[in-house]
Amino acid sequence: AQTVTQSQPEMSVQEAETVTLSCTYDTSESDYYLFWYKQPPSRQMILVIRQEAYKQQNATENRFSVNFQKAAKSFSLKISDSQLGDAAMYFCAYRSAGDMRFGAGTRLTVKP
Amino acid sequence: DTGVSQNPRHKITKRGQNVTFRCDPISEHNRLYWYRQTLGQGPEFLTYFQNEAQLEKSRLLSDRFSAERPKGSFSTLEIQRTEQGDSAMYLCASSMYKNTEAFFGQGTRLTVV
Repeated sequence: AQTVTQSQPEMSVQEAETVTLSCTYDTSESDYYLFWYKQPPSRQMILVIRQEAYKQQNATENRFSVNFQKAAKSFSLKISDSQLGDAAMYFCAYRSAGDMRFGAGTRLTVKP
Repeated sequence: DTGVSQNPRHKITKRGQNVTFRCDPISEHNRLYWYRQTLGQGPEFLTYFQNEAQLEKSRLLSDRFSAERPKGSFSTLEIQRTEQGDSAMYLCASSMYKNTEAFFGQGTRLTVV
């Protein structure tokens, strides 16, 4: 079974600084997708960024980028120029042909 | 289309009662997922549908839980004989197909007293 591990329950970053959230996963599949979702307090889950496993190039969405290391099964999220609105729970997710599995999440605090 | 819609948003029920939640996915999405989330944890997979077919159900899911998606449109999740441990946020998500991201609803928060 596929598992997703986020080893950082909490992270903190100063406004305008950069922070990296870690994620590792375990799979025997070769075709899969990885996602980072953001869940602000009492609000719904929204997609931050996605990465297809067959693509070597790391995905980037404005201030958000990933470091995808397929051999190491690692998928970290880098947030540059952190803003107060980035404060939320961040979940790493894995998806192959079937369901989508999530990590336990990292709570990100942004200090002004 | 306004996105994935879940009803009710909140439900308080007495232990032993049955509850049913509804999820209306984005109209063109053929995949629909149910997750359970407790405070401070990640979403835990419950089950998913492709169109009207229920393709997978978590082994952790008690027989008290059942889900349907008649006609491949909206879905319902029923919990029979609720227990206090069922208290959680129940999330629904939908997607076009396997290689696209899932869009989430706002969830139904269940409290069993």
